[in-house]
Amino acid sequence: SSELTQDPAVSVALGQTVRITCQGDSLRSYYASWYQQKPGQAPVLVIYGKNNRPSGIPDRFSGSSSGNTASLTITGAQAEDEADYYCNSRDSSGNHGVFGGGTKLTVL
Amino acid sequence: QVQLQQWGAGLLKPSETLSLTCAVYGGSFSGYYWSWIRQPPGKGLEWIGEINHSGSTNYNPSLKSRVTISVDTSKNQFSLKLSSVTAADTAVYYCARVVPAAIWPYYYYYMDVWGKGTTVTVSS
Repeated sequence: SSELTQDPAVSVALGQTVRITCQGDSLRSYYASWYQQKPGQAPVLVIYGKNNRPSGIPDRFSGSSSGNTASLTITGAQAEDEADYYCNSRDSSGNHGVFGGGTKLTVL
Repeated sequence: QVQLQQWGAGLLKPSETLSLTCAVYGGSFSGYYWSWIRQPPGKGLEWIGEINHSGSTNYNPSLKSRVTISVDTSKNQFSLKLSSVTAADTAVYYCARVVPAAIWPYYYYYMDVWGKGTTVTVSS
């Protein structure tokens, strides 16, 4: 399968914890990476591998994976975390990249 | 610090060929894949394809018949050509560096550096 499925929209109260999920058969063999995109800007990598954060990404962002589901967790969401979040991985062949449809996160 | 600078024509007519180039500054060209991604207005990200320093390519099956990605290692540049464009190809096009990695038993690829994006509009 070459598809990654995300919920279109998720909301979280300021300071609370939110989990954004990504489902796909290929996630049983490939870790997902996660990207944050704010309006008018290029995507920014926030999580990659098992649970790695690039330099400059706050430690409130974390990742996990179980079976065919990858998750991005924001612990103590801040107003500046309001954005679109995309998961990315490979298809089952490993030869093609694939993105999830994206999740719009609203911080209330 | 690696930076990607991209450029190309921003307005095309239907049936023309889209041509974009991405230059890599401040880092090695080898050991990575170099990818193109696009985002139609108001929609999500779509992986177009990738190339490594030796010229090995992978393309999105849905675009494969129209896409060519090439590399010029002497200039640390890679390029995208998309033929026979239509209005459906209107999008912001991004270039990105792809890091391949593995930690048993998983493989993974991540895009750690992105270009700023080029808006391409197809209109008659």
